[in-house]
Amino acid sequence: GESVGLHLPTLSVQEGDNSIINCAYSNSASDYFIWYKQESGKGPQFIIDIRSNMDKRQGQRVTVLLNKTVKHLSLQIAATQPGDSAVYFCAENKEAGGTSYGKLTFGQGTILTVHP
Amino acid sequence: NAGVMQNPRHLVRRRGQEARLRCSPMKGHSHVYWYRQLPEEGLKFMVYLQKENIIDESGMPKERFSAEFPKEGPSILRIQQVVRGDSAAYFCASSHTGGGNEQYFGPGTRLTVT
Repeated sequence: GESVGLHLPTLSVQEGDNSIINCAYSNSASDYFIWYKQESGKGPQFIIDIRSNMDKRQGQRVTVLLNKTVKHLSLQIAATQPGDSAVYFCAENKEAGGTSYGKLTFGQGTILTVHP
Repeated sequence: NAGVMQNPRHLVRRRGQEARLRCSPMKGHSHVYWYRQLPEEGLKFMVYLQKENIIDESGMPKERFSAEFPKEGPSILRIQQVVRGDSAAYFCASSHTGGGNEQYFGPGTRLTVT
């Protein structure tokens, strides 16, 4: 069946280092891949998304890479800060007008801990 | 500019009781989504609603669960005859355009069934 999963459940880094969070997916029909951040006791917060026909997209301090050959998605955070400590989820979505549009499918999550 | 509001934040129900979870979307948003999160797991989609319409309810259990988003007032997720397995965090999200990638989540309602 469809699934979006993560390789590593936890990641610990030092403040100022770069972080890389990985995600494997199995549904090649997804049109968008998205990263969300969830802090303790809060709802998820959108970080960045990438369309399935792109390889790379950059935001502020974050970069998302998509490798469709091996069905792999990663989130790179530059100069990681203590405020980046959270659980990070990858998710997928479908194109507007198609079935399942708006029904985000989330992966298990990776816990990122940033040490000062 | 208030974000997505959910209440109550914490809800305790005994087995067999009913649970009503409320969600007020962000101002100007007419698309609402409900997700359930079990401990140590990701969010699972339940239902997508637009004002007075259910767009996709493929993630809703067939029995005991229902959702509505009336013309006026908040969206309601209703769970009848709760069981211990219903204990989870329930998150509501909203978006301005339909089905977008950027959904704005509320703080969640943590339901505990005793």
